Amino acid sequence: EVQLLESGGGLIQAGNSLRLSCAASGFTFSSHAMSWVRQAPGKGLECVSSISGTGGSTYYADSVKGRFTISRDNSKNTLYLQMSSLRAEDTAVYYCAKGGRDGYNQPSSNWFDPWGQGTLVTVSS
Amino acid sequence: DIQMTQSPSSLSASVGDRVTITCRASQSISSYLNWYQQKPKKAPKLLIYAASSLQTGVPSRFSGSGSGTDFTLTISNLQPEDFATYYCQQSYSTPLTFGGGTTVEVK
Repeated sequence: EVQLLESGGGLIQAGNSLRLSCAASGFTFSSHAMSWVRQAPGKGLECVSSISGTGGSTYYADSVKGRFTISRDNSKNTLYLQMSSLRAEDTAVYYCAKGGRDGYNQPSSNWFDPWGQGTLVTVSS
Repeated sequence: DIQMTQSPSSLSASVGDRVTITCRASQSISSYLNWYQQKPKKAPKLLIYAASSLQTGVPSRFSGSGSGTDFTLTISNLQPEDFATYYCQQSYSTPLTFGGGTTVEVK
C-alpha cells in the first residue's frame, strides 16, 4: 500500500524558514514524480512545486519561486520542501502527492495519486 | 500559466440527481485534465485522469469527457457520499494548475 507521511509543519514567524518532509513507502520512489500542493484555509488547491523522479527537473509556482526549494533523497524515499522568507500568505495545509502515472517520472502529463494527509504551516505576522 | 475555470462554483442537488461540472482551460491542453474529490478536512482523491479514464476503485457513476479547452465531470445518480468539493487540474504544462473548485451541496 502506498503511504505518504508529511511532517515538519507548525507555527512560525514571518521571515523565517521551515523544512517539510514527506516519507514515502509502498512504491519505487525514484520512479515517480512528486509534488507539494497547498491549500490555504477555506481556499482551493495550489501546486507550489514538483520534481522529477531523478530530481533533475524541478518546477515552482510563481508565488514561491526563489523562496522555496524542492528536493528528494531517493535513498531515503523522502521528499522535502525547504521554505524560506515565509509570509502570512504561505499559511496552508501542505500535501505531498505522488505522480500516479506508472513508468513515467515527470510531473507534466501526469496526475496526483495518492496524496498524504497534509501538514499545517501557520505563518504569523 | 494555464488558467483553469470551473463552473458553477457551487450547486445544490438531491440524491439520485445527475450533476454536471464544467472546466475550461485558457488554452488547449489536449486531454491532460484530471478531476479530484475533496471532503472536509481530508486530502483530495483522484477520480478521473486523462480527461476520461476512471481511477481504479472509483464508482462508475463518475465520468469525464472533453478535450482541448472544455471538459465535464458528470455524476449520475448522486449518492450521499458524493456531497463534496470537486477540482479539475491540468497537467499539460508546468506550473500545474487547478480550477477553483465546485462544491456539491445538499438541496
